[in-house]
Amino acid sequence: AQSVTQLDSQVPVFEEAPVELRCNYSSSVSVYLFWYVQYPNQGLQLLLKYLSGSTLVKGINGFEAEFNKSQTSFHLRKPSVHISDTAEYFCAVRGFTGGGNKLTFGTGTQLKVEL
Amino acid sequence: DTGVSQDPRHKITKRGQNVTFRCDPISEHNRLYWYRQTLGQGPEFLTYFQNEAQLEKSRLLSDRFSAERPKGSFSTLEIQRTEQGDSAMYLCASSPQAGGGTGELFFGEGSRLTVL
Repeated sequence: AQSVTQLDSQVPVFEEAPVELRCNYSSSVSVYLFWYVQYPNQGLQLLLKYLSGSTLVKGINGFEAEFNKSQTSFHLRKPSVHISDTAEYFCAVRGFTGGGNKLTFGTGTQLKVEL
Repeated sequence: DTGVSQDPRHKITKRGQNVTFRCDPISEHNRLYWYRQTLGQGPEFLTYFQNEAQLEKSRLLSDRFSAERPKGSFSTLEIQRTEQGDSAMYLCASSPQAGGGTGELFFGEGSRLTVL
């Protein structure tokens, strides 16, 4: 089984400042990793994913994340945030085998961008 | 619009009533998932289907919950004798079968249930 820990429940940041949202995972097998964003009263939208290859992955809206196997982390970063980035961000993990494409999610990090 | 569609978007009901949610997945996706999300939490897996077969159910899916996908297309999630603890957002997602897709799930907008 896999699990995800998002250490920060809320991250306030000023507009145009950089941000990092932390995600650590636990798994006994190799994994795929995902970041999703959720705006109020909406479903989840994929930001980016790591399946294999380069450990630095780039996603939509200027976000990127780095897979670090030794630290079992997949932190999300953006060099300069915009007010429209205010949303809930979820890290998710899936094992290579079994469970269909079932994802296990973390508890989320609320990013609040302030002027 | 070829995304995942859920209906209704909002449902308010009284405790003890039955409710049913419908999900229409992306047409070429043969896997369909139901998740539940409570306030301040991440989505929690409930169950998933491959075509019409229900392949896995979470322990969260009590016997008051039943999900079906009779023809391998749309799915329904029914909650019988609702309780206030059932208040949540119910999310549906779909994906191609593993090996034919990139591993991600495509989510609908969700159905928010409020039990009074």
